[in-house]
Amino acid sequence: ETGVTQTPRHLVMGMTNKKSLKCEQHLGHNAMYWYKQSAKKPLELMFVYSLEERVENNSVPSRFSPECPNSSHLFLHLHTLQPEDSALYLCASSQEQGGRETQYFGPGTRLLVL
Amino acid sequence: AQSVTQLDSQVPVFEEAPVELRCNYSSSVSVYLFWYVQYPNQGLQLLLKYLSGSTLVKGINGFEAEFNKSQTSFHLRKPSVHISDTAEYFCAVSVQNFGNEKLTFGTGTRLTIIP
Repeated sequence: ETGVTQTPRHLVMGMTNKKSLKCEQHLGHNAMYWYKQSAKKPLELMFVYSLEERVENNSVPSRFSPECPNSSHLFLHLHTLQPEDSALYLCASSQEQGGRETQYFGPGTRLLVL
Repeated sequence: AQSVTQLDSQVPVFEEAPVELRCNYSSSVSVYLFWYVQYPNQGLQLLLKYLSGSTLVKGINGFEAEFNKSQTSFHLRKPSVHISDTAEYFCAVSVQNFGNEKLTFGTGTRLTIIP
């Protein structure tokens, strides 16, 4: 138990659906992250929030829309996804946003797009 | 931009044998280095990290790693592995450059312990 929870743990959706992934951290951290983990590829950083402001957006398609309503919660809204978006989506948090910081990861949401 | 190479995608090791998982990085500036472990159906967990100081870093579960600047390596070692060490191990690097300090991960090494 790392103090970072993600729901749902598994999600199957069609290409026309709209769904949201939720992440909650109970560690009092100021930075939160979304990563995409695909087989045989390095973790891809998607979004970074620091003090509820987006500080990084790594050229992610607009069909992924993040939301950070407060420092404890992070959402990833999904719409009109493609089959290649199937992956494990990991949320992480750290005390501050910076290269020295340890990131604490949630268990992930395994997404399958049909 | 920095990058990380983990040459071994899979490493099988007999129980109680030693193991070394290799990690090489490239960067034009000073770096911070990390090893994370991912057990089945879980997220990543920090094993150890190098920020500065002693080049030999000790982590959890009996793992250690040595930062070698001349060889740009940060190999992970354990003298005697256990079945519970079966997992995927990720090396990661960030650069000491304010404004561009994101973590860059390698592709991972799957460690399988053979009873």
